[in-house]
Amino acid sequence: QSVLTQPPSASGTPGQRVTISCSGSSSNIGSNYVYWYQQLPGTAPKLLIYRNNQRPSGVPDRFSGSKSGTSASLAISGLRSEDEADYYCAAWDDSLSGGVFGGGTKLTVL
Amino acid sequence: QVQLVESGGGVVQPGRSLRLSCAASGFTFSSYGMHWVRQAPGKGLEWVAVISYDGSNKYYADSVKGRFTISRDNSKNTLYLQMNSLRAEDTAVYYCAKVLSDFDWLLDLVLWGQGTLVTVSS
Repeated sequence: QSVLTQPPSASGTPGQRVTISCSGSSSNIGSNYVYWYQQLPGTAPKLLIYRNNQRPSGVPDRFSGSKSGTSASLAISGLRSEDEADYYCAAWDDSLSGGVFGGGTKLTVL
Repeated sequence: QVQLVESGGGVVQPGRSLRLSCAASGFTFSSYGMHWVRQAPGKGLEWVAVISYDGSNKYYADSVKGRFTISRDNSKNTLYLQMNSLRAEDTAVYYCAKVLSDFDWLLDLVLWGQGTLVTVSS
């Protein structure tokens, strides 16, 4: 059971907007930054969003992040077939004094 | 070329030890915090440990605390993970990762290695 809770799956059609949620607590999301990663099959994860809503260089603005209280969301607009991947949220947890990841959400582009 | 290359994985019996290495190149290794993250076969990501840029701060996941030790040699541009008392549940691909901002060690892991597989089995 992961400290951060994500839906196991999500889906959408090309061009659609999809959101993936990440629920935590006051010791992690509630008091620290949230990060989002994309992992394509057989590859290392890729940083999509850092510090709640910042995009690293090279990440399309179709990807956006938000945070409210102890929850966070990743939104993907203009869905493309290449967005089909696993998505993970992450945050530092003050109670654990360590990092925590969500269980991951498998995004399917129909 | 900016990259991280892990090595040292393999098959090991339960209770034995293994040391993973992560060779960094193309950036000023000594200025960045570094993390280890693992992924069991078919499972999600699990954070393992972090070390600050100068090695003065280290934190571990509860699942490995007391068994694993993260360290770094800035003169060799290399990160290590010493794994002792290995268990079957430690079987995973282990990734090393570099943080985005210098002199920081947050979870903005912007550069990842290709991963090295550790299999704990008798």
